[in-house]
Amino acid sequence: AQKVTQAQTEISVVEKEDVTLDCVYETRDTTYYLFWYKQPPSGELVFLIRRNSFDEQNEISGRYSWNFQKSTSSFNFTITASQVVDSAVYFCALSEAQTGANNLFFGTGTRLTVIP
Amino acid sequence: DAEITQSPRHKITETGRQVTLACHQTWNHNNMFWYRQDLGHGLRLIHYSYGVHDTNKGEVSDGYSVSRSNTEDLPLTLESAASSQTSVYFCASSPSGGSSYNEQFFGPGTRLTVL
Repeated sequence: AQKVTQAQTEISVVEKEDVTLDCVYETRDTTYYLFWYKQPPSGELVFLIRRNSFDEQNEISGRYSWNFQKSTSSFNFTITASQVVDSAVYFCALSEAQTGANNLFFGTGTRLTVIP
Repeated sequence: DAEITQSPRHKITETGRQVTLACHQTWNHNNMFWYRQDLGHGLRLIHYSYGVHDTNKGEVSDGYSVSRSNTEDLPLTLESAASSQTSVYFCASSPSGGSSYNEQFFGPGTRLTVL
């Protein structure tokens, strides 16, 4: 069963628009971790954020914010006032304590294109 | 600065050949991982290691092997390359504890083409 679903395959927005990337996860574990990674056109994977299952507090970092809702098993990522440099593929990932908290299950990614 | 490197960055090989992709990290991380990235699949775990002489199979391990003889290196071997193994391969590492627990640091990737 797919553990992480990123239903949006591709999204295009005009610069300065806000955009939300959806991530829905599935786990039976009570202790788990959620991640977002960014993969710019250059190809490397850049860590953005990690949340554990006991911390539902939303987080804001500059133009980035994350909304973690256990009730809907979602960990959505919002970019405010998007910029061309935000164009990338974004991956949501899950690790579970019972299957090895070091092992990540990745979603299929959302390709974001910001049009100038 | 500590880093994780992969070599080669690009490789073209023929079906049936043995291929080894190198991964080297200087963070002294215990945990190392190999993933493949394919369109429509995201990143899928091939093999991983939690320390020297420890290796484990991931989701898509068939046709691949790894060995861990030291902390810094986790080479990935394709025993007999197949066209289905054409992909981009990423190596990653993570610490066993501390504030960066289970955050994985990725190498730049190796693009492998099997003809």
